[in-house]
Amino acid sequence: QKEVEQNSGPLSVPEGAIASLNCTYSDRGSQSFFWYRQYSGKSPELIMFIYSNGDKEDGRFTAQLNKASQYVSLLIRDSQPSDSATYLCAVILLTQGGSEKLVFGKGTKLTVNP
Amino acid sequence: GAGVSQTPSNKVTEKGKYVELRCDPISGHTALYWYRQSLGQGPEFLIYFQGTGAADDSGLPNDRFFAVRPEGSVSTLKIQRTERGDSAVYLCASSFTQGAVTFGSGTRLTVV
Repeated sequence: QKEVEQNSGPLSVPEGAIASLNCTYSDRGSQSFFWYRQYSGKSPELIMFIYSNGDKEDGRFTAQLNKASQYVSLLIRDSQPSDSATYLCAVILLTQGGSEKLVFGKGTKLTVNP
Repeated sequence: GAGVSQTPSNKVTEKGKYVELRCDPISGHTALYWYRQSLGQGPEFLIYFQGTGAADDSGLPNDRFFAVRPEGSVSTLKIQRTERGDSAVYLCASSFTQGAVTFGSGTRLTVV
């Protein structure tokens, strides 16, 4: 099993709809989870982080975490064409050597159609 | 500086040559990461520094790759005997706390 898995998509939604992006991770001990957005030809930028089970809302974005299911998701409400990008899930994994490393999924490409 | 600075932005090199990629993190950021990203893929972890030491270098593909951060600030990723498969965008990121990183613009490496 890959450390961080995402459906690569593409995911296409109409403008104004809710976009739902999902991610699973392999390390049950992980405590910190992040969503990054990457526009084509640009570097990733942090949009959300979540540490506790449940929902965390920031404007049109909601991150959801379920540690028992090792599942984290990102909901984008009232999707806009400017939200069209690749969304990367990232997890801090604990290594056997006792260190931590930030590992990314493959990303889900989202297209919001006007 | 205001952001993470990576130089050069583009590098074309011949197979077998040696290259150095530089990263200047945000001032005061103790954590520094190197990733490699190929088209259509997520960033692939290479190495993570906390201060001057490499806290985790498990992502370096082989002994042709090496990275240093001698004074806990600027870092250099060094690739010996480059191969065409090394072609990718190399991303550097830094942070105060684990995970909430700021990326540089990347160095696009092309090995011909």
